[in-house]
Amino acid sequence: DGGITQSPKYLFRKEGQNVTLSCEQNLNHDAMYWYRQDPGQGLRLIYYSQIVNDFQKGDIAEGYSVSREKKESFPLTVTSAQKNPTAFYLCASSPPPDTEAFFGQGTRLTVV
Amino acid sequence: GESVGLHLPTLSVQEGDNSIINCAYSNSASDYFIWYKQESGKGPQFIIDIRSNMDKRQGQRVTVLLNKTVKHLSLQIAATQPGDSAVYFCAENFGGSNYKLTFGKGTLLTVNP
Repeated sequence: DGGITQSPKYLFRKEGQNVTLSCEQNLNHDAMYWYRQDPGQGLRLIYYSQIVNDFQKGDIAEGYSVSREKKESFPLTVTSAQKNPTAFYLCASSPPPDTEAFFGQGTRLTVV
Repeated sequence: GESVGLHLPTLSVQEGDNSIINCAYSNSASDYFIWYKQESGKGPQFIIDIRSNMDKRQGQRVTVLLNKTVKHLSLQIAATQPGDSAVYFCAENFGGSNYKLTFGKGTLLTVNP
């Protein structure tokens, strides 16, 4: 089946540790995105990538890092510099611009 | 409808009624708009989209209206069903070769049986 796979679904992290969230798509989409969602809030853009080996900061990039070494994969690292990392993280992908983005099922990260 | 406040706007309707969810978008240069539905604990799902050269677009039980003069978008759901209960987001694309998709804060729709 074609789609976007995020893993793991739930993730727990100790304060001060980096953690990497996985996002893989087999839709052959050029663009990929990471969004953060807090309870009762909208989606805020962390990073996005329009093509392999290129990515841009979104609105809340501080404390996060990404890579885009392969078209299918866009992992997000939540670093210890992110002061409030507990949130629901959503990955998405889209073909050319002006088309809908398809979302994964999300990863819920909790800092303990 | 949408709000710039921290709390999620809510809309409560009776089953069978029509629902109207509103969204004020931010950029007058945006040329593509999407409505998404998000159920609890899941990723958003595409409902319907509209381009800036249109004022109205209809899907199955849903209609999106675009008013570029006041930068306003609305989603109308006909004969609302309990399965329509979810959070609804509008999203805008700023156009050209820019892939960036910006989301509004969302509206929680509750359908009462």
